[in-house]
Amino acid sequence: NAGVTQTPKFRVLKTGQSMTLLCAQDMNHEYMYWYRQDPGMGLRLIHYSVGEGTTAKGEVPDGYNVSRLKKQNFLLGLESAAPSQTSVYFCASRKTPNNEKLFFGSGTQLSVL
Amino acid sequence: SQQGEEDPQALSIQEGENATMNCSYKTSINNLQWYRQNSGRGLVHLILIRSNEREKHSGRLRVTLDTSKKSSSLLITASRAADTASYFCATAYNQGGKLIFGQGTELSVKP
Repeated sequence: NAGVTQTPKFRVLKTGQSMTLLCAQDMNHEYMYWYRQDPGMGLRLIHYSVGEGTTAKGEVPDGYNVSRLKKQNFLLGLESAAPSQTSVYFCASRKTPNNEKLFFGSGTQLSVL
Repeated sequence: SQQGEEDPQALSIQEGENATMNCSYKTSINNLQWYRQNSGRGLVHLILIRSNEREKHSGRLRVTLDTSKKSSSLLITASRAADTASYFCATAYNQGGKLIFGQGTELSVKP
């Protein structure tokens, strides 16, 4: 099993460009999450999903959109990137609320110039 | 914000010493978890304590939870240089799956 896989690992964007980050898990997990990590801020929850076809807002959802069309994939989109979105993005998943441990991907380093 | 606070932000100790990190949160929780992050990597789950538990052990790790004070502590005994990493607490709320992380404690264990 690959676990949680994030693509790409690195990306540089210009202000105003759009992109999609892909998270894929092969563990048949129901719950999936997108976090961003900034120095001194820890991890902040952007959006999450409790099952295929569902999404919900986290702590810092503005400027991002997500989709969960297939159970194994959770996409994070930036429609018009801003320098404030320069960050490391982590995807995570877990089986159910009763199996609370999160499994993390290795992260995507995004720079917006 | 529901984000918890951790202290200290940074901790430097010698190998063999114990390391204690604290986490405080703001609202009632279902459970609290601790994670570890090595530089440049994703987070790895260490231990989970439920709201009706007061103490839990796993190897050299000891976690306590005080729901009246809305705080938790992580103790790493007999630390090793390999324990050098950032440690995060995460709180699970009764809101259908949301899991909120604290700001983390950066631990440095010197050989």
